[in-house]
Amino acid sequence: SAVISQKPSRDICQRGTSLTIQCQVDSQVTMMFWYRQQPGQSLTLIATANQGSEATYESGFVIDKFPISRPNLTFSTLTVSNMSPEDSSIYLCSVGGAPANTQYFGPGTRLTVL
Amino acid sequence: QKEVEQNSGPLSVPEGAIASLNCTYSDRVSQSFFWYRQYSGKSPELIMSIYSNGDKEDGRFTAQLNKASQYVSLLIRDSQPSDSATYLCAVKEYSGGGADGLTFGKGTHLIIQP
Repeated sequence: SAVISQKPSRDICQRGTSLTIQCQVDSQVTMMFWYRQQPGQSLTLIATANQGSEATYESGFVIDKFPISRPNLTFSTLTVSNMSPEDSSIYLCSVGGAPANTQYFGPGTRLTVL
Repeated sequence: QKEVEQNSGPLSVPEGAIASLNCTYSDRVSQSFFWYRQYSGKSPELIMSIYSNGDKEDGRFTAQLNKASQYVSLLIRDSQPSDSATYLCAVKEYSGGGADGLTFGKGTHLIIQP
């Protein structure tokens, strides 16, 4: 499976600011996915990022709040904009792999908003 | 709205016994099913994938799928304290292009008692 890294691994931010999370993969992948895991909860898909096109957002998530970039086949960023304490979560990127439809996750970014 | 249901636990199992984890899903067109293990503070790691009805074995792990009953389970034989973790059930609807993310259950917290 691909090796996935994320930066930063954790951050503490002030309300109203924005944070950009980076996801780097060691091989070219068509799709990258961004998930959120709120404290004590399971994973929720935020959006799917395909290189060269606009990201596709799940219900409840909007581009203004979570803009995503996908400049090439090995890299993506997720920005959490105008943060509030409710945005405190772990943000994970993932990529597809074998066997079919499997997803592998990066180490995550633990975000705390004060 | 696709839903994946799991008993949150905790499920306590003595060391050496069989741990049985269950999951039901609501979307009849779901085609791919996964079990992930998540240790506290870590990202999910893939344990098993299963795509067709019946059992699939990999070492101490057996995944069981019954599409008619919309039910998938994970058995862990000879449970070890290192198996103590949260186990996440995930499903993917068939979309042909493989572009969809996964829908996760809330996870079952498993405790293996030495």
